[in-house]
Amino acid sequence: KQEVTQIPAALSVPEGENLVLNCSFTDSAIYNLQWFRQDPGKGLTSLLLIQSSQREQTSGRLNASLDKSSGRSTLYIAASQPGDSATYLCAVETGYSTLTFGKGTMLLVSP
Amino acid sequence: EPEVTQTPSHQVTQMGQEVILRCVPISNHLYFYWYRQILGQKVEFLVSFYNNEISEKSEIFDDQFSVERPDGSNFTLKIRSTKLEDSAMYFCASSEVGKGSYEQYFGPGTRLTVT
Repeated sequence: KQEVTQIPAALSVPEGENLVLNCSFTDSAIYNLQWFRQDPGKGLTSLLLIQSSQREQTSGRLNASLDKSSGRSTLYIAASQPGDSATYLCAVETGYSTLTFGKGTMLLVSP
Repeated sequence: EPEVTQTPSHQVTQMGQEVILRCVPISNHLYFYWYRQILGQKVEFLVSFYNNEISEKSEIFDDQFSVERPDGSNFTLKIRSTKLEDSAMYFCASSEVGKGSYEQYFGPGTRLTVT
């Protein structure tokens, strides 16, 4: 059974710092990996999707990498801003279009 | 930009009652999903739906749950006899294609409170 783990569980940084969020998964047979952002009490906003054949994806200040063989992904956020404060979720798609989620990393960026 | 919408945003019901949660997926999407998130826990997959039938379902999706696409736009999740442990945020999602080809877009969720 696929298990997704995210480290750290919480992270507090001052504005302007570059940071890395980590995601690991136990079964490397994935179709893709998706990073989401979740604001308190809100839905999930898709940030980046990396297909299993890709190594990384970039969107603005966000860069996500995927090492499928080792079961790892990282989300790099450059020049963090207070508006980046949210919970970041990693999810892998295994067979049959199902996403398995990690518990998330709660990020707080202080002005 | 097209988005997934869900109604109601918050539903309070008594144990044993039936509830229907509604979703309008993005119009050109073909795959639809329901997930739930119990407070403080991970988001969990419930069911996927394609071509008017269930594609996959998890162990959570037992006989108390059903899904339906009653018309060309709505996608519903019905819980027949709610239990206290059904209290959670329920998310609807949709994608253009399934199985890794396209990302899933999520709605804002319906918070279900069972008393």
